[in-house]
Amino acid sequence: DIVMTQSPLSLPVTPGEPASISCRSSQSLLHSSGYNFLDWYVQKPGQSPQLLICLGSTRASGVPDRFSGSGSGTDFTLQISRVEAEDVGVYYCMQALQTPYSFGQGTKLEIK
Amino acid sequence: EVQLVQSGAEVRKPGATVKISCKVSGKIFTDHYIHWLQKAPGKGPQWMGLIHPQHGQTIYAERFQGRVTIVAETSRDTAYMELRSLRAEDTALYYCATGGTTGSLLEFWGQGTLVTVSS
Repeated sequence: DIVMTQSPLSLPVTPGEPASISCRSSQSLLHSSGYNFLDWYVQKPGQSPQLLICLGSTRASGVPDRFSGSGSGTDFTLQISRVEAEDVGVYYCMQALQTPYSFGQGTKLEIK
Repeated sequence: EVQLVQSGAEVRKPGATVKISCKVSGKIFTDHYIHWLQKAPGKGPQWMGLIHPQHGQTIYAERFQGRVTIVAETSRDTAYMELRSLRAEDTALYYCATGGTTGSLLEFWGQGTLVTVSS
């Protein structure tokens, strides 16, 4: 099974400042198609998880462009260029390459 | 608008069985796999399994194998997840999710169903 490891687990950020979350997989997520099968989700308080980024770097519909995903193979990063109060929540990376699909432990973003 | 609406909260005793429904609207039910995930307090989501609604093909995570069954009723655009031999550590929120046009497996999510296992 593919193990996903995120860091940091806690991320206090001042509004307007950038934030970065790292995600590492135990196996390469680069498919022969050229796509990385790595998604990012956020679970805001009291809500279901929602898709932010798929295939490593494609923003989902309606996601602000201050969110970006990068990386390839086993190392990935989610970046928020300017954090806003509404970004509070737990961020997860998930590998979608093979079953069982697996998530990182989560990074809790809070506002300072 | 795509919506996945799940059945309500359940309370069960250890050893019992629970069955949760997930009704899909706003998209073609048979177009994408439907997945079920377990979200326990303080833990990341755990993928439990999937079904292709058109073909009925299922894949289950090994950790739930033998205890979980996922079915799809195309006439009702509804998927079901049954979890048997419940134990206290199965107390969690359970989500259904499905794909869309982005290429993500889990583009759309249900609202979650809380299952509490307690004697």
